[in-house]
Amino acid sequence: RKEVEQDPGPFNVPEGATVAFNCTYSNSASQSFFWYRQDCRKEPKLLMSVYSSGNEDGRFTAQLNRASQYISLLIRDSKLSDSATYLCVVNRDDYKLSFGAGTTVTVRA
Amino acid sequence: EAQVTQNPRYLITVTGKKLTVTCSQNMNHEYMSWYRQDPGLGLRQIYYSMNVEVTDKGDVPEGYKVSRKEKRNFPLILESPSPNQTSLYFCASSLPSSGGSSYNEQFFGPGTRLTVL
Repeated sequence: RKEVEQDPGPFNVPEGATVAFNCTYSNSASQSFFWYRQDCRKEPKLLMSVYSSGNEDGRFTAQLNRASQYISLLIRDSKLSDSATYLCVVNRDDYKLSFGAGTTVTVRA
Repeated sequence: EAQVTQNPRYLITVTGKKLTVTCSQNMNHEYMSWYRQDPGLGLRQIYYSMNVEVTDKGDVPEGYKVSRKEKRNFPLILESPSPNQTSLYFCASSLPSSGGSSYNEQFFGPGTRLTVL
């Protein structure tokens, strides 16, 4: 079983729509969770950290469910510029991170 | 400008010809890491370094070497490249983790696309 699993998508949504997707992780001891954004095989960039209580950053909302070992990302009012691959990242120990293969989102006009 | 640079950005080489991919960061980060990214797989860690002269293996270290003689530089060395090392490589740096939930943002370089024939 992969340490971090994501639905690869693609999620094709119209502008203005809401899109949500999850990522599951296998290590119950993980304590740090992130969403990174990657555009077309360019370098990943941090989108947001995910906190236990859930958190919001503008149109983006991240949730953590420790009991079921998944994190989610919801994008409201999608923009064309939100088209990207979203990587779920979870720590394994102090120096190692596990990356999901990514969920591709395409926002169409 | 705070950044991580990698060189070369693109490289086509032949099996067995030693190569080095350089990585440099100007943010005074202690922690640096190398990843490879292949289709359908997440980024996989090759090697990481917690500070100067301190390195350790990641998940896929076979066929790679690294060194950390200076804080800003973390080169990746392929002594005898093989076709299965054809991949997209990313270098990343960050401030050290305090453990637990105190992970810091990873800053990635622009990537090096390597093809081994």
